[in-house]
Amino acid sequence: KNQVEQSPQSLIILEGKNCTLQCNYTVSPFSNLRWYKQDTGRGPVSLTIMTFSENTKSNGRYTATLDADTKQSSLHITASQLSDSASYICVVRWGSARQLTFGSGTQLTVLP
Amino acid sequence: GAGVSQTPSNKVTEKGKYVELRCDPISGHTALYWYRQSLGQGPEFLIYFQGTGAADDSGLPNDRFFAVRPEGSVSTLKIQRTERGDSAVYLCASSAGRGDGELFFGEGSRLTVL
Repeated sequence: KNQVEQSPQSLIILEGKNCTLQCNYTVSPFSNLRWYKQDTGRGPVSLTIMTFSENTKSNGRYTATLDADTKQSSLHITASQLSDSASYICVVRWGSARQLTFGSGTQLTVLP
Repeated sequence: GAGVSQTPSNKVTEKGKYVELRCDPISGHTALYWYRQSLGQGPEFLIYFQGTGAADDSGLPNDRFFAVRPEGSVSTLKIQRTERGDSAVYLCASSAGRGDGELFFGEGSRLTVL
């Protein structure tokens, strides 16, 4: 069964600190993996996409990694800001373009 | 429009009533998805449209749920005889239907069934 597991379920950090969110998947065949940020009361917004051949990709203070062998991805946030408080959802695309499996998300809270 | 628009943003209804939720996708996007999201969970797939046809409706929980997209643009999710368990945020997303398949989400319609 195609599954995406995220950890931790929730995380609280102080402003300015770094953190890393994890995503493990059992999806096959793998197409790509995307991290979305979902602010409270809003729809998810794409942060970054990882394809099979990519190991690391950065988008500002966000850096995603992918290990296709172990089927793991991480999202590292550097120098966190209050506006980083949100749910971060890992989504894996498999098979045809429309086949997606969503993780349950990591709820990140950044405190001043 | 510039983004995916969903209406209403909030809907409170009584058990047993009929509800319609509307999604206006990004202009030119051929693919449209409906998801349901409960608190603290990731979005749960309901139905996918490619153009006017429902290419995959395997996520609809039962026959009380139905969705249409008659002209290949705006879509309406219809819920009959609502139940308290239908309370959730219903998210609509659209994509260009090609390329890496990024989904662009609306802000959702929060449905509360009393």
